[in-house]
Amino acid sequence: DIQMTQSPSTVSASEGDRVTITCRASQSIRSWLAWYQQKPGKAPKLLIYKASSLESGVPSRFSGSGSGTEFTLTISSLQPDDFATYYCQQYNSYPITFGQGTRLEIK
Amino acid sequence: EVELVESGGTLVQSGGSLRLSCAASEFTLGNYWMTWVRQAPGKGLAWVGTIKQDGSETYYVDSVKDRFTISRDNAKNSLYLQMNSLRAEDTALYYCARARQGSDVFDYWGQGTLVTVSS
Repeated sequence: DIQMTQSPSTVSASEGDRVTITCRASQSIRSWLAWYQQKPGKAPKLLIYKASSLESGVPSRFSGSGSGTEFTLTISSLQPDDFATYYCQQYNSYPITFGQGTRLEIK
Repeated sequence: EVELVESGGTLVQSGGSLRLSCAASEFTLGNYWMTWVRQAPGKGLAWVGTIKQDGSETYYVDSVKDRFTISRDNAKNSLYLQMNSLRAEDTALYYCARARQGSDVFDYWGQGTLVTVSS
């Protein structure tokens, strides 16, 4: 199984900050990586797919990059609505696996 | 607007069975692979399994193989998760999600249904 490891587990930041979350795969997943945002009590929301493609309707302050085993999600200028938990997910092969999540909290 | 609505979650004893349903609307279920993802209380997301458009292929995480079965009735726009031999560690919020055509990216999710397994 492919293990997905996110870092950090928690990040504290302020509105307007630039934030980067890293996701590492235990083996190459090419570009088959997605990022989701989840707010408390809500279902996850797709942000990025194929490592760097922005889902329709998602603000352009979100961006993704990487390939192979190392990926990043960047939020260029944090907005109040962005404080949430973020998950990466590999879909290179079954079983599909998620990272453990990164909680983005207000500093 | 695409909508997925799960139902069937409840409190069940360890060793028991339960069937979850997911009702799809505003899209043709039969055109999409569908997936179940679960989230234990306070924990992260965990993929449970996926079913092909016509139900001819299914894939599961090892921990549920031989206990859980995903099925679908495209005519009823419904997806199902039959869960047998339930364990305390199956306690979670269960989401159904639609896989974008041609990939295992989940573009629409339901609100989830809670399964609690008591030991």
